Amino acid sequence: DIQMTQSPSTLSASVGDRVTITCRASQSIGDWLAWYQQKPGKAPNLLIYRTSTLRSGVPSRFSGSGSGTEFTLTISSLQPDDFATYHCQQLQSFPWTFGQGTEVEIK
Amino acid sequence: EVQLVESGGDLIQPGGSLRLSCVASGFTVSNEYMSWVRQAPGKGLEWLSVLYSGGGSYYRDSVKGRFTISRDNSKNSLYLQMNSLRVDDTAVYYCARLSHGAGVGVYAFESWGQGTLVTVS
Repeated sequence: DIQMTQSPSTLSASVGDRVTITCRASQSIGDWLAWYQQKPGKAPNLLIYRTSTLRSGVPSRFSGSGSGTEFTLTISSLQPDDFATYHCQQLQSFPWTFGQGTEVEIK
Repeated sequence: EVQLVESGGDLIQPGGSLRLSCVASGFTVSNEYMSWVRQAPGKGLEWLSVLYSGGGSYYRDSVKGRFTISRDNSKNSLYLQMNSLRVDDTAVYYCARLSHGAGVGVYAFESWGQGTLVTVS
């Protein structure tokens, strides 16, 4: 199985901060990576797919980059609605696997 | 509007069986790739199974032989039959619609239901 490791596990930040979350794959996954946002008690919500393609309707302050084994999700200017947990997911091979999640909390 | 509504979660004893349902609206289940994902309390997301529009399916090893994904076209619904349930199957179970390209792989899980809680104890 491909292991996905996110860092950090928790991130404390303030409104307006630039935030970067890293996701590392245990082997190359090309660009078959997606990012999701999840709020407490809610289902995940797709933000980005194929590493860097923003889903329609997702604010442009979100961006994704990377390839192979290292990927990043960047929020250019953190907004109050962005405090949530973020998950990466590889879809290169079965079983599709997720990172353990990164909680972005208010500093 | 795409909507997915799961049901069927319950408190069940180890070794028991349960069938989860996911009713879809706004699209046709049989035309799409569909999956089940679960999330144990306080834990990350775990993909379980996929059902392709062509009828093929795949499972993660830990549920292979115990769980079965299926659909009912007449009810526009997706199901997950879960047998031989274990304590570590306790989780919120989500169904999801997948986005994909023609002839290429799956891009992402683009639509999710609200989840249904299964407690094995």
